[in-house]
Amino acid sequence: RKEVEQDPGPFNVPEGATVAFNCTYSNSASQSFFWYRQDCRKEPKLLMSVYSSGNEDGRFTAQLNRASQYISLLIRDSKLSDSATYLCVARPSGNTPLVFGKGTRLSVIA
Amino acid sequence: DGGITQSPKYLFRKEGQNVTLSCEQNLNHDAMYWYRQDPGQGLRLIYYSQIVNDFQKGDIAEGYSVSREKKESFPLTVTSAQKNPTAFYLCASSTGGFGNTEAFFGQGTRLTVV
Repeated sequence: RKEVEQDPGPFNVPEGATVAFNCTYSNSASQSFFWYRQDCRKEPKLLMSVYSSGNEDGRFTAQLNRASQYISLLIRDSKLSDSATYLCVARPSGNTPLVFGKGTRLSVIA
Repeated sequence: DGGITQSPKYLFRKEGQNVTLSCEQNLNHDAMYWYRQDPGQGLRLIYYSQIVNDFQKGDIAEGYSVSREKKESFPLTVTSAQKNPTAFYLCASSTGGFGNTEAFFGQGTRLTVV
């Protein structure tokens, strides 16, 4: 049973493109959701939390659909520096460890 | 600076040896976690601790041991019972409370069995 599932990609997009990633989670009781970014051979770093009403941070927009149990990340005006692996993360309930998807790899091409 | 420090960054182990990976945080976080990442794979939970002197097994605890004697420290021992220990090990911490609390990671330890 995979608790958090993502399309592994890779997504190869040109600079300036808009790209969207989706992820699904199996535990309907999950309380908190996040997107992390991981560069090659580095530790994951928080990109943004995902709120029920949806939230935006510059070129990045996150959405949560609790009824369908999926989370999305939209990146507008892609930059070369956006190339990384994006990890979808859920916290099942309360004070429990984060559960990570395997990540979606993005390559932005000049 | 506040953060999480893992050491060493690279570690080589001979088969049959136990090794201990260090993780220290000065964020005053209650909860600490150890994850393992293999190439092309996601993070898998080894052990976690929500409070000093208490810890729980994660999904892949076999062959590993931990201790939590101090709030700021959560060392991981990779024992000889771990059959395939070569991996990237990541330590993380969070405030441990309920709600939308993210985890912060150390820079990781890359363990290789030689």
